[in-house]
Amino acid sequence: ETGVTQTPRHLVMGMTNKKSLKCEQHLGHNAMYWYKQSAKKPLELMFVYNFKEQTENNSVPSRFSPECPNSSHLFLHLHTLQPEDSALYLCASSQAPGSNSGANVLTFGAGSRLTVL
Amino acid sequence: RKEVEQDPGPFNVPEGATVAFNCTYSNSASQSFFWYRQDCRKEPKLLMSVYSSGNEDGRFTAQLNRASQYISLLIRDSKLSDSATYLCVVGDSNYQLIWGAGTKLIIKP
Repeated sequence: ETGVTQTPRHLVMGMTNKKSLKCEQHLGHNAMYWYKQSAKKPLELMFVYNFKEQTENNSVPSRFSPECPNSSHLFLHLHTLQPEDSALYLCASSQAPGSNSGANVLTFGAGSRLTVL
Repeated sequence: RKEVEQDPGPFNVPEGATVAFNCTYSNSASQSFFWYRQDCRKEPKLLMSVYSSGNEDGRFTAQLNRASQYISLLIRDSKLSDSATYLCVVGDSNYQLIWGAGTKLIIKP
């Protein structure tokens, strides 16, 4: 497999469920990101991991919990979500920020479309 | 004021025409600039980086105007396959990326 792979592609869950989104990148990148994309809004950065260390947490509610076991894998654990959390969740990877001119270029996965009932 | 602002469109353009749209940014210290393309129900993909001197990639030309704080994207000889949402992205000196909400382009036969 190449690029950035996200699973599941679609997820429907109730407000009391616990689920996880998974992301895997095969690009040799050292930074991984979770973004939320809602209709007609800019992408919202949720979390950044740089060499497995979380470097950014943009005031995301605790019902979203990231996990980065290594530079190639990223998870987003979901618990007691709200209907307004329904959105497309995009994982991305890049070279480590600041490492070179290509560091700001993101490669995205296809996204996980989440519906919270 | 939004940090990165784009006209949401949609821009309805006949096939073969030239279309251009701008993106304004508020942080004068911004360092890097990009256009991404996002097809319906797909992920964003890098279209092109924008360099200070302007750059061209086939039918696509990107320009940066630092004085007025905007970047532009021009598409010549538009194709049906150019229909997509075009996302403007601006990076600051801390490598933080700020995204615009996108401009929707529809190319009509």
